[in-house]
Amino acid sequence: GAVVSQHPSRVICKSGTSVKIECRSLDFQATTMFWYRQFPKQSLMLMATSNEGSKATYEQGVEKDKFLINHASLTLSTLTVTSAHPEDSSFYICSAPSPTGGLNYGYTFGSGTRLTVV
Amino acid sequence: TQLLEQSPQFLSIQEGENLTVYCNSSSVFSSLQWYRQEPGEGPVLLVTVVTGGEVKKLKRLTFQFGDARKDSSLHITAAQPGDTGLYLCAGVKSGNTPLVFGKGTRLSVIA
Repeated sequence: GAVVSQHPSRVICKSGTSVKIECRSLDFQATTMFWYRQFPKQSLMLMATSNEGSKATYEQGVEKDKFLINHASLTLSTLTVTSAHPEDSSFYICSAPSPTGGLNYGYTFGSGTRLTVV
Repeated sequence: TQLLEQSPQFLSIQEGENLTVYCNSSSVFSSLQWYRQEPGEGPVLLVTVVTGGEVKKLKRLTFQFGDARKDSSLHITAAQPGDTGLYLCAGVKSGNTPLVFGKGTRLSVIA
């Protein structure tokens, strides 16, 4: 089945530094990638939608200058958390529609990245 | 505004009991999907329901899509400790648009 590989799985960084999270579609081309954030014991909140070759679309309240999304190829989308602060600590997850269509066949999720800013 | 109301949010039951999780909305969805998520991992798709009134079974799990495609339910028969986890319902409005998630149901099955 379709696989989205997400790295790193865990990262600890100092306040003020930047962290890049990568999501790669391993056996299919992902023209669209969704980025979610999940707080402890809560559901997933959509942050932004990235489309290959175009600018990402951010949800209301998400700072585009802080959460930089790049989708430079059909198999790679990245999320960079710039000038990270402790309140950015969270679980970040990427997701892509299955190659046969998300409507009928679901979406494939990465394994998530646990970001801790100290 | 939470487009998908999922209930209950927390459920703790004994092994062997049955349970039902509900996912309701005032909006129509093209499909509803159920995911299960383990701690520290991404959600994994359990099932997708597309047709109003559709019923799908996955071993001891039964999924139903409402006739009007606004609601769905997940029924687990004879729950086992291995069923413990976070269950998420998610709706798709059209095409490959982002999933709209419910708040999730955290299930704990005690042996």
